[in-house]
Amino acid sequence: QKEVEQNSGPLSVPEGAIASLNCTYSDRGSQSFFWYRQYSGKSPELIMFIYSNGDKEDGRFTAQLNKASQYVSLLIRDSQPSDSATYLCAVRTGNNRKLIWGLGTSLAVNP
Amino acid sequence: DAGITQSPRHKVTETGTPVTLRCHQTENHRYMYWYRQDPGHGLRLIHYSYGVKDTDKGEVSDGYSVSRSKTEDFLLTLESATSSQTSVYFCAISEAGGRSDTQYFGPGTRLTVL
Repeated sequence: QKEVEQNSGPLSVPEGAIASLNCTYSDRGSQSFFWYRQYSGKSPELIMFIYSNGDKEDGRFTAQLNKASQYVSLLIRDSQPSDSATYLCAVRTGNNRKLIWGLGTSLAVNP
Repeated sequence: DAGITQSPRHKVTETGTPVTLRCHQTENHRYMYWYRQDPGHGLRLIHYSYGVKDTDKGEVSDGYSVSRSKTEDFLLTLESATSSQTSVYFCAISEAGGRSDTQYFGPGTRLTVL
């Protein structure tokens, strides 16, 4: 069974700090990795994707992928109260259109 | 929401009644998906479509059927709703091709089956 695991949290960080969110996956054939943000009562929205080992930066967000260790992480720099949400990790394996989703990590940024 | 609408946005129905949810996109994307999201289970794929009249089952397809007669519309039908189908339903779309192919979500439909 292919799995994607995330710590459910809540992860609490002070405003201005770096928030670090982690995701592990079981299938070594996984090729693409996605981070989504979901505010309470809203739909998931894409933050960024990554498919090569290493770091990918987009504004305050950095995704880090380590295929050997089978984990992907999301760093949020200068965290803001507006970043408080649930962060979902999703993984695509092979040529399959389907995504395997983690249950999400709840992040609270305290002013 | 990347040109995706869902209707209705909220619905309350009774056990045993048929229910149809509609997803409409203006992006001309080939792939469309129906998910349900429940506490403790996360997002689970119900059905997806890879073209007009081309659909396939996801991991929780029992009790659901879908149809896609036009590129822009993807319908999800609960033939006889049950209380276990109370959930939030999301439609998503994606273009075909590449490792960066990304799914974009509609606003969701909250369905309550009494």
